Amino acid sequence: QKEVEQNSGPLSVPEGAIASLNCTYSDRVSQSFFWYRQYSGKSPELIMSIYSNGDKEDGRFTAQLNKASQYVSLLIRDSQPSDSATYLCAVNPLYSGGGADGLTFGKGTHLIIQP
Amino acid sequence: DTAVSQTPKYLVTQMGNDKSIKCEQNLGHDTMYWYKQDSKKFLKIMFSYNNKELIINETVPNRFSPKSPDKAHLNLHINSLELGDSAVYFCASSPEGNEQFFGPGTRLTVL
Repeated sequence: QKEVEQNSGPLSVPEGAIASLNCTYSDRVSQSFFWYRQYSGKSPELIMSIYSNGDKEDGRFTAQLNKASQYVSLLIRDSQPSDSATYLCAVNPLYSGGGADGLTFGKGTHLIIQP
Repeated sequence: DTAVSQTPKYLVTQMGNDKSIKCEQNLGHDTMYWYKQDSKKFLKIMFSYNNKELIINETVPNRFSPKSPDKAHLNLHINSLELGDSAVYFCASSPEGNEQFFGPGTRLTVL
């Protein structure tokens, strides 16, 4: 059974610091990895996707993937109070280009950026 | 322009009733999904549709049935509602079954 594990938090980070969010997954055939941000009462919003080992940067966000360790992380640089939200790690076993499997989500990490 | 929309946003109903939630996407995506987020905020896949064909059907009760009149719509019908069905239901869509984009959600409360 596919599982995605995250520390539920809350993770408290001072404003301007780097927030580091971690996720592990159990299904070795997983190929696609996503980070979603969810504000309270809102829907999940896609902020990063990563498919290959290594780092992927987009603005203040960096996703890191290590398939050998079955580990994916999200770094948020220069954290802002508006980054306070729940961050959901999601995994899809299929690479882009086909299939319709649903995503397997972790339970999310609640991030609090302290002004 | 709204990419993935759902109606209604809130739904309050009595046990035993039958209800439907509608979802529409204007992104031209091939695949649409229904997810359930329970009171502990755990988000879990229920169904997906690809070109009007049901691709996956997780272990949800058969009281839940997805119906897709066309590629842009995926509705969720729920029969004989139970207390445990109370949750937020999210519709999502994706191109080629990968990155998924979520609708605003429908908060269902069963009394």
